Amino acid sequence: GQNIDQPTEMTATEGAIVQINCTYQTSGFNGLFWYQQHAGEAPTFLSYNVLDGLEEKGRFSSFLSRSKGYSYLLLKELQMKDSASYLCAATDSNYQLIWGAGTKLIIKP
Amino acid sequence: IAGITQAPTSQILAAGRRMTLRCTQDMRHNAMYWYRQDLGLGLRLIHYSNTAGTTGKGEVPDGYSVSRANTDDFPLTLASAVPSQTSVYFCASSDSGAGTDTQYFGPGTRLTVL
Repeated sequence: GQNIDQPTEMTATEGAIVQINCTYQTSGFNGLFWYQQHAGEAPTFLSYNVLDGLEEKGRFSSFLSRSKGYSYLLLKELQMKDSASYLCAATDSNYQLIWGAGTKLIIKP
Repeated sequence: IAGITQAPTSQILAAGRRMTLRCTQDMRHNAMYWYRQDLGLGLRLIHYSNTAGTTGKGEVPDGYSVSRANTDDFPLTLASAVPSQTSVYFCASSDSGAGTDTQYFGPGTRLTVL
């Protein structure tokens, strides 16, 4: 079957660094997305990886290892506004996104 | 209009009633999607459309129907609502249905079926 696993909840301190992991099993693979979703709001795009390696975009970076079925989202210099859920989604062989349940990130002062 | 709009924002519905959730985008995207989001579960695809005039079934299509008469609109209909359809519904669109394009989401409709 197809499956996306990510931790349910994480806590970090303002100004620190946090890494949110995601493992996936899909029938075929055509890329991995990370989205951010604040409580009561719609998901918004953060990053897309299709090749192995690290993609850096400001304070946020995303890593992909296709051979391990593994990705992570790295958030640096955490700010209170980064408190949100982070959704991992992989594109399967039918070009549909399979979504993880999301990781709720709590930032403490 | 900028991006994707959904209506209504929220709705309380009696079981057995028919309900249509509206979705409109102004980005001229070819592909559109309907998802439901339930606590503790990931977004689950209900139906999708890769281009006007075509639709397809997602992971959880039972009890729902869609139409795509034009590029901009993608309504979702619950023919006879049941309590298990209580959820937050998101409409999304992307440039193509290739699965490699960013999906842009509407603000969501919170539906409660009693």
